[in-house]
Amino acid sequence: DAGVTQSPTHLIKTRGQQVTLRCSPISGHKSVSWYQQVLGQGPQFIFQYYEKEERGRGNFPDRFSARQFPNYSSELNVNALLLGDSALYLCASSRRGGDQPQHFGDGTRLSIL
Amino acid sequence: GIQVEQSPPDLILQEGANSTLRCNFSDSVNNLQWFHQNPWGQLINLFYIPSGTKQNGRLSATTVATERYSLLYISSSQTTDSGVYFCAVELNDMRFGAGTRLTVKP
Repeated sequence: DAGVTQSPTHLIKTRGQQVTLRCSPISGHKSVSWYQQVLGQGPQFIFQYYEKEERGRGNFPDRFSARQFPNYSSELNVNALLLGDSALYLCASSRRGGDQPQHFGDGTRLSIL
Repeated sequence: GIQVEQSPPDLILQEGANSTLRCNFSDSVNNLQWFHQNPWGQLINLFYIPSGTKQNGRLSATTVATERYSLLYISSSQTTDSGVYFCAVELNDMRFGAGTRLTVKP
């Protein structure tokens, strides 16, 4: 079975632009979570979705939004990009919303110029 | 929120040596996972271990939930073990430690 797939793998944007990142979970997984990892740090939780409902939100500004589709894939949107948004964005899926192992995709590396 | 502390922050080993990585957390958790992040940024699941002991080849892990810590053991280390090892715990959301950067020299 395919693992968690993310697209694109790399992206370069300029300040003020908007970006959409995509994630397809492992087949049979109904929960998707998004994380931001800046260089030298551990991943930081952004959102979790389960059965198309937002189940959790980390300490990120409203410029960050996400949604989950009926096929359980997910999109992360970031508006009004700042230099500090440059990071590796990771998506993870699990069978249910909690108490389940999370499996990570390879990430999208976002660079803001 | 829950605090996750990993030690040591950096570890340099000669190939063949053994090591123990530690993860302390500040509250009861529902989920604890160990990950290896390779130089390409891929996060690889090592263990899902909210409690007890598990082994997978040269790696093993123990979580003592009542004392709020987990240990990852790496035996007979190889250069391919190099990378950053993260502990992550989940209560309401998943929190990662800052990681242990392991370098294994040939």
